[in-house]
Amino acid sequence: RKEVEQDPGPFNVPEGATVAFNCTYSNSASQSFFWYRQDCRKEPKLLMSVYSSGNEDGRFTAQLNRASQYISLLIRDSKLSDSATYLCVVNKGNSGYALNFGKGTSLLVTP
Amino acid sequence: DAGVIQSPRHEVTEMGQEVTLRCKPISGHDYLFWYRQTMMRGLELLIYFNNNVPIDDSGMPEDRFSAKMPNASFSTLKIQPSEPRDSAVYFCASSGAGTSYEQYFGPGTRLTVT
Repeated sequence: RKEVEQDPGPFNVPEGATVAFNCTYSNSASQSFFWYRQDCRKEPKLLMSVYSSGNEDGRFTAQLNRASQYISLLIRDSKLSDSATYLCVVNKGNSGYALNFGKGTSLLVTP
Repeated sequence: DAGVIQSPRHEVTEMGQEVTLRCKPISGHDYLFWYRQTMMRGLELLIYFNNNVPIDDSGMPEDRFSAKMPNASFSTLKIQPSEPRDSAVYFCASSGAGTSYEQYFGPGTRLTVT
């Protein structure tokens, strides 16, 4: 079983739509969770950390379910500029700094 | 502020040749990571250093790969001899105390081995 699994998509949505991505992870000892964004032919960049109580940053909401080992990202009122690949990231259980990346979910927002 | 710097940005080489990729982390960061990204396997952690010391190299594919960090501002990833299946984008990232584990990535080196 892969350490971090995501639906690769692509998700094609119209501007203004709400879209949700999900991710599961296998290591129950993991303590740190993130969503990174990667634009085509660019490096990954941190979008947001994911906290146990859930957290929101503008149009973006992240949720964590430790019991189910499940992480989600919700994007409201999607913009054309949200088109990118979203990577679910979980730290390796024995190291806070070493990270496992999912293969990413591709989002295309259309006019 | 300068981010993570990688060179070269693109490298095309023939099978069997030695390839050296270079990275300069963000000043003050004490963790440095090397990743490889392919369509098939996604982003894979190859090795990481803390205070210039290799901590976990379990992701290094085989003995043809080696990495060094001679000082806090420079690291290399070497492939010798290179093979076509090594073709990928290689990213370097750095992190440090107070960054809440956020990793800052360089622009990557796109390697093609023919």
